[in-house]
Amino acid sequence: AQKITQTQPGMFVQEKEAVTLDCTYDTSDPSYGLFWYKQPSSGEMIFLIYQGSYDQQNATEGRYSLNFQKARKSANLVISASQLGDSAMYFCAMSLSASKIIFGSGTRLSIRP
Amino acid sequence: NAGVTQTPKFRVLKTGQSMTLLCAQDMNHEYMYWYRQDPGMGLRLIHYSVGEGTTAKGEVPDGYNVSRLKKQNFLLGLESAAPSQTSVYFCASSYWEQPQHFGDGTRLSIL
Repeated sequence: AQKITQTQPGMFVQEKEAVTLDCTYDTSDPSYGLFWYKQPSSGEMIFLIYQGSYDQQNATEGRYSLNFQKARKSANLVISASQLGDSAMYFCAMSLSASKIIFGSGTRLSIRP
Repeated sequence: NAGVTQTPKFRVLKTGQSMTLLCAQDMNHEYMYWYRQDPGMGLRLIHYSVGEGTTAKGEVPDGYNVSRLKKQNFLLGLESAAPSQTSVYFCASSYWEQPQHFGDGTRLSIL
């Protein structure tokens, strides 16, 4: 079955610490994309980072990096030097085709000052 | 700098009423999507479109219809609203295999 699993419903992290949000995926398709989105309390969905299944290097975007371990089928999001504004829901998603886009149930990240 | 615009932002309907949610994008994207997000869950794909005049079913299409008469617009219709359709609806657009740009969502309540 094709699915995305986020095992951490909620996390608390001290400001300025690094944080890793876990995401594992399951698919037998050789070609897929992995995304992370941030959803603040205001409700909008903000794209953070993308990793293609054939990409050799881990994706990075500013303070965000994606720790892609293909053999383990994991695509963890790492946020370096967390900030109060990072408090939000974070969703991992997998894209297999235009009709097959699967989202995880999300992790609520709370940053403590 | 509009990106993806959804109207309305909030709506309350009675069971059996109909309504249309409008999504407009100004990025010339070919692909457009409608999702629903229920409490404590991720997004589930309702319908999508890979170009003007085309639509296709996603994971949870029952009770919804869509139309893409113009490239920039993607409409989601509820012909006979049911309480189970109470949700937050998101529209998104993208180029092929590129990250999706989302609208701000429409909060819909069916009484």
